[in-house]
Amino acid sequence: SQQGEEDPQALSIQEGENATMNCSYKTSINNLQWYRQNSGRGLVHLILIRSNEREKHSGRLRVTLDTSKKSSSLLITASRAADTASYFCATANAGGTSYGKLTFGQGTILTVHP
Amino acid sequence: DGGITQSPKYLFRKEGQNVTLSCEQNLNHDAMYWYRQDPGQGLRLIYYSQIVNDFQKGDIAEGYSVSREKKESFPLTVTSAQKNPTAFYLCASRPPGNTIYFGEGSWLTVV
Repeated sequence: SQQGEEDPQALSIQEGENATMNCSYKTSINNLQWYRQNSGRGLVHLILIRSNEREKHSGRLRVTLDTSKKSSSLLITASRAADTASYFCATANAGGTSYGKLTFGQGTILTVHP
Repeated sequence: DGGITQSPKYLFRKEGQNVTLSCEQNLNHDAMYWYRQDPGQGLRLIYYSQIVNDFQKGDIAEGYSVSREKKESFPLTVTSAQKNPTAFYLCASRPPGNTIYFGEGSWLTVV
């Protein structure tokens, strides 16, 4: 079963606007990761946030984590047409080994119009 | 170049036929994974392997088989028992405790 659920399923914005995607999960986690997938390609890792962290930044990306609500958000600021892709959250369950499997959500399809 | 290589990129399977998808990595990662992705959907775990000669079923292992005879290689066989195999298949590898690295994927279509 899917651990993470992204919201919204699809998001359409204009270039320069900010895009916010949310992810909810059900069980305790060690970390939560966000990945990007261009159409028909493999996934690329964007950012990892550990369960004891609340916010993390990487370039135009900002990720927050609220373990009390079991939710995370990914903010892309000043979006570009090249940001058009699907974005997935993935969770590593607490108590698992460092090789433990990641569970992916259904993804948010982001379209940025020039 | 270091990375994960999946082949073939496109594969067609006839009814009742077994096919094997190749996955090779030169990242020296112990753990390897196979995911299935249906159009517009997320990833579902088929099988994963933490070390050579060991692997575990994921959430949707029925109709699939794997082997892990070498650290670099984790081939996936889609058997005739998999009734709906048309999908995008992603192989991945992972170092301890860190992020997962994906191949470019293989498209499998039943004809």
